[in-house]
Amino acid sequence: KQEVTQIPAALSVPEGENLVLNCSFTDSAIYNLQWFRQDPGKGLTSLLLIQSSQREQTSGRLNASLDKSSGRSTLYIAASQPGDSATYLCAVSDSWGKLQFGAGTQVVVTP
Amino acid sequence: SAVISQKPSRDICQRGTSLTIQCQVDSQVTMMFWYRQQPGQSLTLIATANQGSEATYESGFVIDKFPISRPNLTFSTLTVSNMSPEDSSIYLCSVDARGGDGFNEQFFGPGTRLTVL
Repeated sequence: KQEVTQIPAALSVPEGENLVLNCSFTDSAIYNLQWFRQDPGKGLTSLLLIQSSQREQTSGRLNASLDKSSGRSTLYIAASQPGDSATYLCAVSDSWGKLQFGAGTQVVVTP
Repeated sequence: SAVISQKPSRDICQRGTSLTIQCQVDSQVTMMFWYRQQPGQSLTLIATANQGSEATYESGFVIDKFPISRPNLTFSTLTVSNMSPEDSSIYLCSVDARGGDGFNEQFFGPGTRLTVL
């Protein structure tokens, strides 16, 4: 059974520092991996999607890498801002589109 | 991409009653999914709903408790039956659809926040 782990569970950084969020998964037979952002009491916003054949994706200040063989993905957020404060969720998909989520990393960026 | 709406956005219900949550998508999709997010927890898949067939439930979820309808390619409902306080959660609908880069990805609705007293 696929298990997804996110480390750390919580992270607090001063504004301007870079953020590094880690995600690991036990079964490398994934279709893709998605990083989501969730604000308190709200739904999910998709940040980046990495196909199983890709090694990284970039969008603005966000960069996500994928090492499928070792079962790892890392989300980098450059030059963090207070507006980046949220919970970040990693999820892996099988070929049917079913997602297995990690528990999330709660990020606080202080001004 | 896909834009998803859910109704209601939130509700407070008495134990023993049932609530039906609606999910509407702005395009036709084959696969629709229902997830639950209990307080302080991550998301867990309840079931997969395909149009024209019975929903497929994940381990720990049963049809009698969470009946699902999928009458067409743009709409689905999830009913939470005979509710107890343990059913207090956010319920999210999602679809698998083509994204901006040409690959399929998951899109989520805004969720329904349910509180059972």
